[in-house]
Amino acid sequence: EAGVTQSPTHLIKTRGQQATLRCSPISGHTSVYWYQQALGLGLQFLLWYDEGEERNRGNFPPRFSGRQFPNYSSELNVNALELEDSALYLCASSSVLFGPGTRLTVL
Amino acid sequence: SQKIEQNSEALNIQEGKTATLTCNYTNYSPAYLQWYRQDPGRGPVFLLLIRENEKEKRKERLKVTFDTTLKQSLFHITASQPADSATYLCAPNTGGFKTIFGAGTRLFVKA
Repeated sequence: EAGVTQSPTHLIKTRGQQATLRCSPISGHTSVYWYQQALGLGLQFLLWYDEGEERNRGNFPPRFSGRQFPNYSSELNVNALELEDSALYLCASSSVLFGPGTRLTVL
Repeated sequence: SQKIEQNSEALNIQEGKTATLTCNYTNYSPAYLQWYRQDPGRGPVFLLLIRENEKEKRKERLKVTFDTTLKQSLFHITASQPADSATYLCAPNTGGFKTIFGAGTRLFVKA
């Protein structure tokens, strides 16, 4: 059985651009949680999607948004990128099953 | 507000010794607490969960204790190996929809 998958592995953007990150949960799981982990810092909760709806969001500005598709995969969009958005973005389909992450670098 | 504290300094130990990592939390009462391992640039890997009514949990060379009076969990790795070198995260959880993580402690095991 495939685990939680994320794409791309690495993403390089410039300031002001938009980034789109993708996540597919474990088969049968309906929730996707997104976290941001800046270098040297802990995981910060970003967004929670379940059954296609945004259920909760962390303390992040509105330019962080996303959606969940009918197959429960999810996209995280970050608009108007800033240098401090450079981080490892992780998604999880439960509290114990994380994906490998997408490393976003903003130049 | 809820706060989780883990040793911010890296822990350096010799192979074969026992590594002990500390997790302290304040301003909430978790129903359970989880420990994870995270390698550089990778997602966390779940290791152990201990519930509030459990004092101790073991899995192979790992042992976790949970003291709800002290608001503290200790994570032990016995007979440590260089392959145990990683960052270890704790996550005291109230059972809500999201998991709140500590910043982690970096462990280096020298051969």
